[in-house]
This record gives sequence, C-alpha cells and structure tokens, in this order.
Amino acid sequence: AQKITQTQPGMFVQEKEAVTLDCTYDTSDPSYGLFWYKQPSSGEMIFLIYQGSYDQQNATEGRYSLNFQKARKSANLVISASQLGDSAMYFCATTNTGFQKLVFGTGTRLLVSP
Amino acid sequence: GAVVSQHPSWVICKSGTSVKIECRSLDFQATTMFWYRQFPKQSLMLMATSNEGSKATYEQGVEKDKFLINHASLTLSTLTVTSAHPEDSSFYICSASWGQEAFFGQGTRLTVV
Repeated sequence: AQKITQTQPGMFVQEKEAVTLDCTYDTSDPSYGLFWYKQPSSGEMIFLIYQGSYDQQNATEGRYSLNFQKARKSANLVISASQLGDSAMYFCATTNTGFQKLVFGTGTRLLVSP
Repeated sequence: GAVVSQHPSWVICKSGTSVKIECRSLDFQATTMFWYRQFPKQSLMLMATSNEGSKATYEQGVEKDKFLINHASLTLSTLTVTSAHPEDSSFYICSASWGQEAFFGQGTRLTVV
C-alpha cells in the first residue's frame, strides 16, 4: 500500500520569495509516480508537476520544481518567486505502476502575503 | 492537457432523494475513472475506481449500494448517491488517467438538507 505524508499543515511566504512544501512517501512498488496538485478555494484540482520513480533528473515546470530524493523517499515541491495567486492547498500524491489509483497526502495550505 | 468535465458543480437535495453526478472526458477516452470524496479541510479520499464496461472497484468502507457507479462508455462515468442523507454532504470529485497524468473534474459540492 502507498502512503503520502505532508507534515506542514500551513506555510506562510512573502511574495517573490521561494517556498518548499514537504512530502515523503512510502510504497512497495518498484515503479511509481509522484504528483503535486494545487487546489484553490474553488475546489478544482490543478496538476502542477509529475516525477517518475525512474526519472534521473528532477522535474521542473516553470516556477515549480520537484526535489526528488529517492533514497530518502521525499518529493518536495519548490515554488520559486511566489505570487499572491499561489495561495491555495497543495497536495502531494503517488500512484503505482499502471496508474491504478492516486493516494493523496493531507495537504499543506500555502498563504502568500504581499 | 486533457479536459475532464463534471456536472453539476453544486447540488442541494432533500434527504431521502437520489443525486446523479456525471464525469466526462471531453477530448480523450478514459477506460478508468476515479471518484473521490473530500470533507472540508481534509484530503481527497478515493471512493471507487470505475472501469468501462465492468463493475466498479470500491475502497474499503464505501457502501456500494449507496454510491452507485456506472461507466457506460469510454467518456462517461456517473456516481449516484442513493437515498442521500445529511452526512453524505461533501465535495465529490472525479478524475481520469491519461498516460502518466490524472486530470480532474471541477468537483460537485453536494448538500443534503
């Protein structure tokens, strides 16, 4: 069974600064994927970034990068140059081979202040 | 990216009635769709996996007879909350996998009064 742990219930950051949201995972599958989603107050789930377990390089998507440390089973999300619109809930998730299902962490609420 | 459309976005119903929520993949075929439930300020909990042309696979603790799932075509899955009660009030959201990504519908906020 897979498990995602997000230990930060809330994070504060000032506009234009970088912030790291923590995520550790536990899985017995040799091949897996790691995801980060953003959920604004409207409720929609917005895909941010994906990292495959066999990917050699850390994934990057614009201002988002995933700090993947396989030995430590961590997949932290780094948001550079925070913007006010980044204020939202952020969920880390994992799936196994064949994408049978996504397992989510408890989320981190990010608040970006001017 | 691929688009998943969920309808309705919100619904209020009387206790004892049934509510149907639709999830459509608009520009791709989804053999598998997932239904999640999210209570306020909590994470998404997988309820069931919907497979086109076969019975859904429910997670432990989810009542199959209360949450009926039908995946009649490669682009449509429906979740019917039968005999709804106030404790069924929640945010329901579907997703469909495509390649290595999962795309989500907009979610449905159900309130049972």
